[in-house]
Amino acid sequence: QKEVEQNSGPLSVPEGAIASLNCTYSDRGSQSFFWYRQYSGKSPELIMFIYSNGDKEDGRFTAQLNKASQYVSLLIRDSQPSDSATYLCAVKGEETGGFKTIFGAGTRLFVKA
Amino acid sequence: ETGVTQTPRHLVMGMTNKKSLKCEQHLGHNAMYWYKQSAKKPLELMFVYNFKEQTENNSVPSRFSPECPNSSHLFLHLHTLQPEDSALYLCASSQAVIAGGQETQYFGPGTRLLVL
Repeated sequence: QKEVEQNSGPLSVPEGAIASLNCTYSDRGSQSFFWYRQYSGKSPELIMFIYSNGDKEDGRFTAQLNKASQYVSLLIRDSQPSDSATYLCAVKGEETGGFKTIFGAGTRLFVKA
Repeated sequence: ETGVTQTPRHLVMGMTNKKSLKCEQHLGHNAMYWYKQSAKKPLELMFVYNFKEQTENNSVPSRFSPECPNSSHLFLHLHTLQPEDSALYLCASSQAVIAGGQETQYFGPGTRLLVL
């Protein structure tokens, strides 16, 4: 079973700081990478996706991908209390012919006001 | 609202009951998924349907039986469940799944299931 690993946290940062969330994956053939946010009692919602090595920025969010190191991260700048949630890393790889998306267990983020 | 609805939102059932979960998507997608989410565990993919055809059965026990009559509707039929099956069951949909594709999944609100 291919795996997606995340630090479960909780990660606690003060308001206005940068929150850094990390994810490693075992399937070297993985091609598509997603970050979902899940508020307590709610379902996951997509924040960003990234397919190419390097950085991808969208507002306060930056996804970083390093396929050689099998590592993907999400940076949240100017963190707000409303960013407090669980962040799920998801990876779509070569297992079962490249059809399957595997989710990590998520990292809980707390942003302190 | 993501365009994916699930009913019921909460369900309590005994181990001898038979019940069904329903999912409907209004996004024009061709792929639908069932996931199980237990506390402090990763989302577990259960089933995937692509153009109404089941393309993934992730070693799910036969007490869970999926049905996909068309691309907009997905059911999960439950019978003789165990207490350890208590969890949040999430439905999702996406554009058609292709190898190496980049489709984003949109999740419904989930059904919170408790098996007594």
